[in-house]
Amino acid sequence: DTGVSQDPRHKITKRGQNVTFRCDPISEHNRLYWYRQTLGQGPEFLTYFQNEAQLEKSRLLSDRFSAERPKGSFSTLEIQRTEQGDSAMYLCASSPSGSFNEQFFGPGTRLTVL
Amino acid sequence: SQQGEEDPQALSIQEGENATMNCSYKTSINNLQWYRQNSGRGLVHLILIRSNEREKHSGRLRVTLDTSKKSSSLLITASRAADTASYFCATDSNDYKLSFGAGTTVTVRA
Repeated sequence: DTGVSQDPRHKITKRGQNVTFRCDPISEHNRLYWYRQTLGQGPEFLTYFQNEAQLEKSRLLSDRFSAERPKGSFSTLEIQRTEQGDSAMYLCASSPSGSFNEQFFGPGTRLTVL
Repeated sequence: SQQGEEDPQALSIQEGENATMNCSYKTSINNLQWYRQNSGRGLVHLILIRSNEREKHSGRLRVTLDTSKKSSSLLITASRAADTASYFCATDSNDYKLSFGAGTTVTVRA
């Protein structure tokens, strides 16, 4: 399967703990995106990478959130000192540059903060 | 903030019927895309229509775009139980991030 993969698929954590999610994009895609989706809503943009450069961060991404894409391949999203309001599905997507921005999504990581 | 708004929020139809859902948006766009999401899963890209296109077909899907009204519609013909899902429109204004609406939940009854 050469689609976008995310790990873990589910994460349950206690408030105050740190969590890290991983995304592996489609190998030839140099653009990578993170979105967050809460129940009953559409995905909301969090951040965007072109190769290893993080080009935009949403205001939704507080100081507790950090994302990296060190070698322009996989990406990690870390949430420090998790809060109950962080509970959501975290979606990763990738796309090739020069496309019309059709984005290919991974299955998501569902985070539950107790 | 979410730019698109889908209408209706929920739709229940009999297998074999057509399903139509609409999307309205606020700012100018490069293109508009429709995605499907099965419960608790990731999004699957269905179709993309560019701002200079008015209608596009893909299999049982038909999408229209009216940039003067800032609206789009998605028609699924001859629906099947497997079409049961949430459908989202997403607008692309600046060539990278997508802005999604809250979605239309479609239930196809056998």
